[in-house]
Amino acid sequence: AQTVTQSQPEMSVQEAETVTLSCTYDTSENNYYLFWYKQPPSRQMILVIRQEAYKQQNATENRFSVNFQKAAKSFSLKISDSQLGDTAMYFCAFIFPNSGNTPLVFGKGTRLSVIA
Amino acid sequence: DGGITQSPKYLFRKEGQNVTLSCEQNLNHDAMYWYRQDPGQGLRLIYYSQIVNDFQKGDIAEGYSVSREKKESFPLTVTSAQKNPTAFYLCASKAGGANEKLFFGSGTQLSVL
Repeated sequence: AQTVTQSQPEMSVQEAETVTLSCTYDTSENNYYLFWYKQPPSRQMILVIRQEAYKQQNATENRFSVNFQKAAKSFSLKISDSQLGDTAMYFCAFIFPNSGNTPLVFGKGTRLSVIA
Repeated sequence: DGGITQSPKYLFRKEGQNVTLSCEQNLNHDAMYWYRQDPGQGLRLIYYSQIVNDFQKGDIAEGYSVSREKKESFPLTVTSAQKNPTAFYLCASKAGGANEKLFFGSGTQLSVL
C-alpha cells in the first residue's frame, strides 16, 4: 500500500519568515503526482500546489514552492514571506497517473501557525 | 457558479439512529469521494464512486453506506452500526485524470447527542 508521512504534527513561524513542511511517501512506482492542500480555520480544503514526478523542475506558485527529491521520496513545501492567512492545516497527498479516478492518499497533516 | 455543496453544516445523531449527509455537485464530474476527518488523523477515505451506479469501499467503510443513482449526487448514510460517528465529513469530486485537483465541499460536522 502507498503511504504518505508528515512527521511534523505542528509548526509555527513568525510573520514574513520562511517555513518548510516535510512530506515523505512510499511507493515502488516511477510515475505519480503529488499535491499539497491547505485547510484554514474555515475548514474549506484548497489546493496549494501540485508536482508531476516525471518533471525534474520543482513546482512554484507565488510564495509556495516544493523541494521534490524523487530518490529520497521527499516532497517538502516551502512557504516564503509567511502571512497570517497561511495559518492552516497542510496535507500532502499522492496519486498514480494511470489510476484514473481512484482516490488520493493523504498524510495526517501539519498544523501551521503564523505568529504576528 | 459550479461547485460542490454539502448539507447540513451541522448534524446531531441520537443513539441507534441512521443519518444521511448530502453531497451535490454541478461540475459534471464522474468521480466523487467521502472522507472522514478526525483530529490528528488526517483524511481517511470512507467510500468513492467513479461512475453512476457504482461505488467502492475505502479504508473505513464499516458502519457507512452510500448510493450513486445520479451523477450529481453521492449521499452518505451513517448507520447505527457506526459506534463512533463524531467527526467532520468531507465530500469531494474530480474530473478525469490523475493530475486533476479535487474539489471539496464545505463539510458536515456530525456529533452524537
